[in-house]
Amino acid sequence: ILNVEQSPQSLHVQEGDSTNFTCSFPSSNFYALHWYRWETAKSPEALFVMTLNGDEKKKGRISATLNTKEGYSYLYIKGSQPEDSATYLCAFVMNSGYSTLTFGKGTMLLVSP
Amino acid sequence: NAGVTQTPKFQVLKTGQSMTLQCAQDMNHEYMSWYRQDPGMGLRLIHYSVGAGITDQGEVPNGYNVSRSTTEDFPLRLLSAAPSQTSVYFCASSQREGGDTQYFGPGTRLTVL
Repeated sequence: ILNVEQSPQSLHVQEGDSTNFTCSFPSSNFYALHWYRWETAKSPEALFVMTLNGDEKKKGRISATLNTKEGYSYLYIKGSQPEDSATYLCAFVMNSGYSTLTFGKGTMLLVSP
Repeated sequence: NAGVTQTPKFQVLKTGQSMTLQCAQDMNHEYMSWYRQDPGMGLRLIHYSVGAGITDQGEVPNGYNVSRSTTEDFPLRLLSAAPSQTSVYFCASSQREGGDTQYFGPGTRLTVL
C-alpha cells in the first residue's frame, strides 16, 4: 500500500488569507499527481493533473507545484473566499502496470467571512 | 452529456442481502473505477476496469464483484452485505488510466444494518 500523506488535516482561515497545503508521496516510480476539490455532499472535482517535475499549474486563485524528486506537491489558494471551503484531495499515480490512483486523506479547509 | 451517473443515491440493506450499485458514463471513457469513502480513510479503490471485458482488484476488493460488458456500464455487486460495507461509494471514469482527469459520479450512500 502506497503512502500518500496530506497536511494539515484541517485548516480554518479568514476570508482574504492565503493558504497552502502539502501532499507527500513516494519519490520513486512517479507517473502523475492529481488534485481534487471536494465540497460537502458533492463529488470530487478535478483541479490539476501534474506529470512533470517542476510542473506549475494555475486555475484562478488556486495554483499547484510539483517536486517529484523529493516527493511533494503544494497547493496554494490566494485570497481565500468562503466558497473555497472544501476538502482538497491529492492522488498519487505510480508508473507500473495499470496506473491506479492512491488518494491521501485530504485537507479540510474552512474559510470564514 | 450526463457525465457519470450512479443509482441508487441511497440504499439501506440488511446483513446478508445482495445488491448491485449501477454506474454509467456517456463520455466513451475506457477507464472506470469504484471507490469507497469512509470517515478518516479517504477514497479507497475497490475495483477498476481499463476497458470492456477487463477488470482488476484495487486496495479493498473483498466482498465486491464487478464486470464490464460494455464501455458505458460498470456495476458493483455486493454479494452478501455486511455492516463493514456501510460507506459512500463513488464511481469514476477517465479517458485512460492514471494520467487523466477522473470524473466522479454523485455517489451512493449505503447503510447495512
